[in-house]
Amino acid sequence: AQSVTQLDSHVSVSEGTPVLLRCNYSSSYSPSLFWYVQHPNKGLQLLLKYTSAATLVKGINGFEAEFKKSETSFHLTKPSAHMSDAAEYFCVVSHYNAGNMLTFGGGTRLMVKP
Amino acid sequence: EPEVTQTPSHQVTQMGQEVILRCVPISNHLYFYWYRQILGQKVEFLVSFYNNEISEKSEIFDDQFSVERPDGSNFTLKIRSTKLEDSAMYFCASSEEGGGRSDTQYFGPGTRLTVL
Repeated sequence: AQSVTQLDSHVSVSEGTPVLLRCNYSSSYSPSLFWYVQHPNKGLQLLLKYTSAATLVKGINGFEAEFKKSETSFHLTKPSAHMSDAAEYFCVVSHYNAGNMLTFGGGTRLMVKP
Repeated sequence: EPEVTQTPSHQVTQMGQEVILRCVPISNHLYFYWYRQILGQKVEFLVSFYNNEISEKSEIFDDQFSVERPDGSNFTLKIRSTKLEDSAMYFCASSEEGGGRSDTQYFGPGTRLTVL
């Protein structure tokens, strides 16, 4: 069975400081991993995805994530937070051999202080 | 940029009533999904659909739920007799490949269903 754990339900940073949102996964085989972002009253937008190519994945809006198999982690980072980054972030694993269903983490709400 | 759309954005219904949630997937996508998120809980998979058939469904997707692609553009989720616990945000998603390591699901903005 696959599962995803987001280690922090809330993260608060100041504008211009680095962002780290932590995610650990459990998978019985090599996974595909995603980060989605949800702004208030908006849908889930894909930030980036890992599909077994480069372990450091770059996404939109300056975000990146590193797949570390030894640590079963897929943490999301950004060097400098912007006010517009305030949103809910979801780490997701794909069951591509089971109807392609996605398993979501619990989400991390990122707050950015001026 | 193409996007998934959902209607209505908010649906309020009485317990025991039938509801139909509508989605228009991205036009060249062939695989469709429904997920839901009960307030304060994780986003959960309900069902995947391809070639007019259910590919996979979760334990949540019982006989009260059904999905349909009634025409070339819409994808619907029907709940026959709503319960209080069906209150949630329902997300529709679509993808081009329906599996494989590089496939990506694109989500709509959701329909908030409130059952009174």
